[in-house]
Amino acid sequence: LAKTTQPISMDSYEGQEVNITCSHNNIATNDYITWYQQFPSQGPRFIIQGYKTKVTNEVASLFIPADRKSSTLSLPRVSLSDTAVYYCLVGETNAGKSTFGDGTTLTVKP
Amino acid sequence: DGGITQSPKYLFRKEGQNVTLSCEQNLNHDAMYWYRQDPGQGLRLIYYSQIVNDFQKGDIAEGYSVSREKKESFPLTVTSAQKNPTAFYLCASSMGTGYNEQFFGPGTRLTVL
Repeated sequence: LAKTTQPISMDSYEGQEVNITCSHNNIATNDYITWYQQFPSQGPRFIIQGYKTKVTNEVASLFIPADRKSSTLSLPRVSLSDTAVYYCLVGETNAGKSTFGDGTTLTVKP
Repeated sequence: DGGITQSPKYLFRKEGQNVTLSCEQNLNHDAMYWYRQDPGQGLRLIYYSQIVNDFQKGDIAEGYSVSREKKESFPLTVTSAQKNPTAFYLCASSMGTGYNEQFFGPGTRLTVL
């Protein structure tokens, strides 16, 4: 299993860009990197997934350097509703080969 | 509407009783999962199933049992052997194998008195 390390918590203010970095030094060649968002008392929700370089969708961007030993989730212009826990996963989720870890609690302040 | 349903949202049981948590999906997904979440912590995998009539233990399977008789359903039984059953339980499903997105249900909060 690829182990991931994320900061426990981060604070930001409305309108700022937030970057959350995840370390995954033992990522395997075939592994993808997936990020989820979870609000209190709800199930996590998929945000974005990537393998290398940069991926962008309507809510976030994911930056993956060439060595793939880390990844950065970028949330542009956050709002109060972006306050949540963000999880970085590496591995084949369908085979039970990736874990959620404890995630990063992002708090957005007015 | 397609999605995953879990019932009930809140469940109370006396210590020593077995309890079954329901999880149903109409997304036609092959794979289904059960996770446990304790306060302030991440999700831990209990069991997962990649296909009907087959399932595998996750990281914390002791004290739990599952069945997968139908593609749409993956019930979880919390047995009296589970020492600390009070937790938030989340069911998820995904297409096939590989790195596909997991879709989560709303969760069941189990409290054992």
